[in-house]
Amino acid sequence: AQKITQTQPGMFVQEKEAVTLDCTYDTSDPSYGLFWYKQPSSGEMIFLIYQGSYDQQNATEGRYSLNFQKARKSANLVISASQLGDSAMYFCAMREGDAGGTSYGKLTFGQGTILTVHP
Amino acid sequence: AAGVIQSPRHLIKEKRETATLKCYPIPRHDTVYWYQQGPGQDPQFLISFYEKMQSDKGSIPDRFSAQQFSDYHSELNMSSLELGDSALYFCASSAPSSGINYEQYFGPGTRLTVT
Repeated sequence: AQKITQTQPGMFVQEKEAVTLDCTYDTSDPSYGLFWYKQPSSGEMIFLIYQGSYDQQNATEGRYSLNFQKARKSANLVISASQLGDSAMYFCAMREGDAGGTSYGKLTFGQGTILTVHP
Repeated sequence: AAGVIQSPRHLIKEKRETATLKCYPIPRHDTVYWYQQGPGQDPQFLISFYEKMQSDKGSIPDRFSAQQFSDYHSELNMSSLELGDSALYFCASSAPSSGINYEQYFGPGTRLTVT
């Protein structure tokens, strides 16, 4: 079964507007971490934001925020004030067993969402 | 700040040849991960090492092997290459001992093309 699901293969947004990229996850582990990475066309993987399963508040990093709804098992990425440079592939990923677990930290990725920012 | 270094950045090999990819983690990072990203695919976990010992294993073919050396750099050895091995290979490093919020820092990747 897919552990991370990103249902939007592609998204379009106008420059300066906000956009939400969806991510749902599936785990029975009570301790996990959720990540978002950006992959531009050049190929590198750029870490954006992290949310721990026990975190009470939604994570924020500059223009990025994570809308964490634990009961619904969703961890949507919100990008505010989109810029042309935000055009890239975005991956949601999960790390299980964060608190003393046995996952040893491997990440499981979703299928990705291609974001295109229009001027 | 120092980042994860991978070499080579690009590699072209023929079928049935061997390839060795190298990864130099961020200083003081004790854990290394290898991921394979096929064209249009999401990265898939291959293998990881913690303090020079294999810590986890994913969908890594038997034709591949890897190790982490005393200086913490890691090498991924790939033999009997197949066309399907053409992919972007990422190395990532982290320092779990630094706290629960540790993140994985990815290298720029090695793009392997098998012809």
